[in-house]
Amino acid sequence: KQEVTQIPAALSVPEGENLVLNCSFTDSAIYNLQWFRQDPGKGLTSLLLIQSSQREQTSGRLNASLDKSSGRSTLYIAASQPGDSATYLCAVNRGSTLGRLYFGRGTQLTVWP
Amino acid sequence: GAVVSQHPSWVICKSGTSVKIECRSLDFQATTMFWYRQFPKQSLMLMATSNEGSKATYEQGVEKDKFLINHASLTLSTLTVTSAHPEDSSFYICSARATGANTGELFFGEGSRLTVL
Repeated sequence: KQEVTQIPAALSVPEGENLVLNCSFTDSAIYNLQWFRQDPGKGLTSLLLIQSSQREQTSGRLNASLDKSSGRSTLYIAASQPGDSATYLCAVNRGSTLGRLYFGRGTQLTVWP
Repeated sequence: GAVVSQHPSWVICKSGTSVKIECRSLDFQATTMFWYRQFPKQSLMLMATSNEGSKATYEQGVEKDKFLINHASLTLSTLTVTSAHPEDSSFYICSARATGANTGELFFGEGSRLTVL
C-alpha cells in the first residue's frame, strides 16, 4: 500500500522567504507525482506534475524535484507572498489505474506580510 | 487548463434524504472520473472510480449502495448520497482525466460541501 507523508504539517513565515515543503512516499514504483494547492473550502489546483522519468519541474516561482529511488519529492517556493497562503498537497500515481492518486495530509502554509 | 465543474458547491439536507452531486468536464472528454471525500484536517480519500458506460469501482469500505455513481456520458458523472446521515457530512471532490491522455494528470472540481442535519 502506498503511504504519502508531508512535512511539516504547518508552516508560518514572513513574506519574501524561500520555502521548502517535503513529501515522502513508501513505494517507489510510481507513474508520476503531482503537487496541488488547496484554498480553504475549495477544490484542488494543480501546480506541477512530475513524471517518474523526470527529476524536476518548474513553473514561475515554484520548483518541484523528484527522487524516486529514495521516495522523496520537494516543492520549493521562492520569494513567498501572502497570496501563497494555502494548503499544499502532494499526491502520487502508481500507474496501475492512471489517475488514482494517493494523497498526503498536506502542509498548511501561512505567509504574513 | 482543463476545467472540471461541480454542482452544487454546498448543500444542506435533512437526515434520511438523498443528495445528488454533479461533476462535469467542461472542455474535454473524460472516460474516467474519480470521487474523493475529505474530512476536516484530513487528506483526500478515494471513494470510487467512475468509468463511462460501466459500473463504478468502489474502494474498500465504501458502501456502493449508499454512494451511487453514474457516468452516463463522457462529460458527466454523478454521485448520489442515499439516505444521508450526519456522519456523511463531508467535502466531496471529483476529478477527471482527459480521454486518451497518458500523462496521468488529473483536474479537480471545486468540491461540494455536504452538511446533513
